[in-house]
Amino acid sequence: NAGVTQTPKFQVLKTGQSMTLQCAQDMNHEYMSWYRQDPGMGLRLIHYSVGAGITDQGEVPNGYNVSRSTTEDFPLRLLSAAPSQTSVYFCASSFRVGGQETQYFGPGTRLLVL
Amino acid sequence: GENVEQHPSTLSVQEGDSAVIKCTYSDSASNYFPWYKQELGKRPQLIIDIRSNVGEKKDQRIAVTLNKTAKHFSLHITETQPEDSAVYFCAAKNSGTYKYIFGTGTRLKVLA
Repeated sequence: NAGVTQTPKFQVLKTGQSMTLQCAQDMNHEYMSWYRQDPGMGLRLIHYSVGAGITDQGEVPNGYNVSRSTTEDFPLRLLSAAPSQTSVYFCASSFRVGGQETQYFGPGTRLLVL
Repeated sequence: GENVEQHPSTLSVQEGDSAVIKCTYSDSASNYFPWYKQELGKRPQLIIDIRSNVGEKKDQRIAVTLNKTAKHFSLHITETQPEDSAVYFCAAKNSGTYKYIFGTGTRLKVLA
């Protein structure tokens, strides 16, 4: 299993540009989510999904869109990039078995918006 | 809204000493508390977790304790080694939701 994968690893955008951060998992996990990590602020939830076709907002959803057409993929779209979106983005997936839950993170995408 | 406070933000210990990191949560319905270790430039990785029906859990040199009444939980690392140097994050989650609320992280430095 590759686990959770993310592409690209690093991206530079100009203000106003749009792009999609890709996330995929091959563990058949129901739950997937996107976080951003900023210095001194920990990990903040942007959007999450509890299954194909079902998404919901997290703490900081503004400026981002998501969709979940398959169990495996959960792309994050930046509609019009702003310097405030400069951050490291982590995708995660998790599953529950018998009440036990474990969350796995992808390797991250470092985004710089100029 | 729900939040998790984590202290200290930085912690330096001598190799072989113990380290303790504390977190306090606000949502009394939280019942799952994982701890993640993040090395520089890497992804967060789960190192230990505890559920609200348990007061303490141990895995070799690391342990987590939970005080539901006070709504706080702590990570204890004994016999610290240089490879324990990393940023540690606590999180809290209510099983009725999917949302994990993270603390702001503790940078642990183990001095050789």
